[in-house]
Amino acid sequence: SYVLTQPPSVSVAPGKTARITCGGNNIGSKSVHWYQQKPGQAPVLVIYYDSDRPSGIPERFSGSNSGNTATLTISRVEAGDEADYYCQVWDSSSDHPRVFGGGTKLTVL
Amino acid sequence: QVQLQESGPGLVKPSETLSLTCTVSGGSISSYYWSWIRQPPGKGLEWIGYIYYSGSTNYNPSLKSRVTISVDTSKNQFSLKLSSVTAADTAVYYCATTGIAAAGPIQHWGQGTLVTVSS
Repeated sequence: SYVLTQPPSVSVAPGKTARITCGGNNIGSKSVHWYQQKPGQAPVLVIYYDSDRPSGIPERFSGSNSGNTATLTISRVEAGDEADYYCQVWDSSSDHPRVFGGGTKLTVL
Repeated sequence: QVQLQESGPGLVKPSETLSLTCTVSGGSISSYYWSWIRQPPGKGLEWIGYIYYSGSTNYNPSLKSRVTISVDTSKNQFSLKLSSVTAADTAVYYCATTGIAAAGPIQHWGQGTLVTVSS
């Protein structure tokens, strides 16, 4: 089945920009969704179809996808952004179509 | 706004069947796709499978032999059964929906319920 690779952790100072990557073979040809999960809570969709933001998600959250890497960018990071972030794709050619990355822990220093 | 709520036993014995129900409120279960996803303690998310309101299903191949997802439109509920459980099935189980597209983003999640497999 399709494999998505995320860095286990990313650290960033408040006010700076965090970039969380999601690697996969020709991932640019697929649609990528991103979820934020805070401790003890269910995940929340923050970016869908590579770069769209659901209502209520701050403009500081953005996404891009090209080649073998998709990226979630969080600008002007706040303490409240500290969470685990998961990328996810739908691999229509697989019998295991909904694939999640392993997750990235974002730490705000 | 669609809301989902999982319910079921929090403790299941090894080799028995895990059974959970998800109750949908704030909208009809008809015309949408409904999923189960789990997360072992301290680990990542794993897709279990989905069901369309009409009853068609798609399961994770690694769990397919043990999983059944069903829907009861009259009760606005869908359910998960996982047979022959082991400690490796201990996880928080989430019900969720991707709306009208099976391949779409997961738009709404239940709060999750922890199921522990232990004797």
